[in-house]
Amino acid sequence: EPEVTQTPSHQVTQMGQEVILRCVPISNHLYFYWYRQILGQKVEFLVSFYNNEISEKSEIFDDQFSVERPDGSNFTLKIRSTKLEDSAMYFCASRPGREDYEQYFGPGTRLTVT
Amino acid sequence: AQKVTQAQTEISVVEKEDVTLDCVYETRDTTYYLFWYKQPPSGELVFLIRRNSFDEQNEISGRYSWNFQKSTSSFNFTITASQVVDSAVYFCALRTGANSKLTFGKGITLSVRP
Repeated sequence: EPEVTQTPSHQVTQMGQEVILRCVPISNHLYFYWYRQILGQKVEFLVSFYNNEISEKSEIFDDQFSVERPDGSNFTLKIRSTKLEDSAMYFCASRPGREDYEQYFGPGTRLTVT
Repeated sequence: AQKVTQAQTEISVVEKEDVTLDCVYETRDTTYYLFWYKQPPSGELVFLIRRNSFDEQNEISGRYSWNFQKSTSSFNFTITASQVVDSAVYFCALRTGANSKLTFGKGITLSVRP
């Protein structure tokens, strides 16, 4: 069964450094998402991406964040200058074109900012 | 605005007990989708069920059943004869619109003791 993959599974970085989290969505999906989950808290929406552009973003998704689909298969989340509070699990998700389908989540990347 | 409330934060049961996880949602949209996801200790998000707003039929899948009631804006999840492997955090989520984000509740931590 096709699945969403994410790399790396765990990333440790120093405050102020740039990080890129990578995702490979399921190949025929059209909608792509990033969510984050601070340890012990709920899953929060960051951004959705469709037709090569951002379709919606949350208040969390400020100028420090950017997304890209550089080559038609990868979907990346970049944090330009990480802060301690960016430490969280980051989930990528994708969905087919049909409205009534669920989002398929990747296994997550745990980002630790020291 | 949309909102999902999972008032229960932690539930502990003994194996073979039945347990119901509550979910109350708020939305002004007439078309929406409700979901339950399971997050085991390993951290991934596992899709359990999707329900659209036009389908109020209850569903049973093995030991799992879901009760969707539009009149009370609730989408409750019951596990019958719980097992230790059911121990996880369970999230209820809501989506409105064609490509919109998932709004998650805070999650319920279920512990099933042998």
